[in-house]
Amino acid sequence: AQKITQTQPGMFVQEKEAVTLDCTYDTSDPSYGLFWYKQPSSGEMIFLIYQGSYDQQNATEGRYSLNFQKARKSANLVISASQLGDSAMYFCAMRERNYGQNFVFGPGTRLSVLP
Amino acid sequence: DTAVSQTPKYLVTQMGNDKSIKCEQNLGHDTMYWYKQDSKKFLKIMFSYNNKELIINETVPNRFSPKSPDKAHLNLHINSLELGDSAVYFCASSQSGGRYENIQYFGAGTRLSVL
Repeated sequence: AQKITQTQPGMFVQEKEAVTLDCTYDTSDPSYGLFWYKQPSSGEMIFLIYQGSYDQQNATEGRYSLNFQKARKSANLVISASQLGDSAMYFCAMRERNYGQNFVFGPGTRLSVLP
Repeated sequence: DTAVSQTPKYLVTQMGNDKSIKCEQNLGHDTMYWYKQDSKKFLKIMFSYNNKELIINETVPNRFSPKSPDKAHLNLHINSLELGDSAVYFCASSQSGGRYENIQYFGAGTRLSVL
C-alpha cells in the first residue's frame, strides 16, 4: 500500500501567490517524521522542512510552512509569495521510527510558477 | 564545500559491465544511503548504512552492493549492468539522534545510462 500520497501530479501558481501542495501518509507507528524536499530541474534534492509526529506546532522555515493535521494524516506544504525559482518537483517523505526506519517518498508534485 | 559529493555525475556504459559510483560526505554524519530515481521521478531507497548496520531494501538485486571504507564514504558497486538499471542514483547522509534525526542531505545525483 502507498505510504505517501501526493494527489497533484502538477500544479500552477502565479508569481507572488501562495500555493499548497498536498501530502497524505499512512502509518501505524506513533513516532514518525515528515519531510519535504525540492528537486529543481538541475536534479539535486534540497531539504525544505521537517515535522515530527509529536510536534505541537506546525513547522515553518522562511516562506515554507507545513500544515500538519495528525488526525487526518496530512502534511501539506504551503509556499507563500511564490517565486519563479520555486518551479520544481516537490517530494513529501516519511520516516517511521519503529517500523524499518526507512524513508519513503511520495511520487512528487511538479510546481510551475507563472510570471 | 560540497556537503555530499558523488562521482561521476554522468555514467554511460554497456550492458554486462561492472561499474562503481563514489559518494563522500563531509558533514560528520553517521549514516549514509543510496536511492534510485526512475524515469518517472519515483525515488526509492536501496540501502541505508551506518557503522553498525546495513539495511538492504529487499527488492534490490544482489548485483548492487554498497561498500564503505570509512564513515565518510559509501560507494555503490553494480555488477552485470542491465538496461533496467538506467536511472539517477542519489547518495545521502544523515546524523542519528537529536531533534532533526535523519534529515537527509543529498548529493547531486549520478545519471546512469546502460546501453
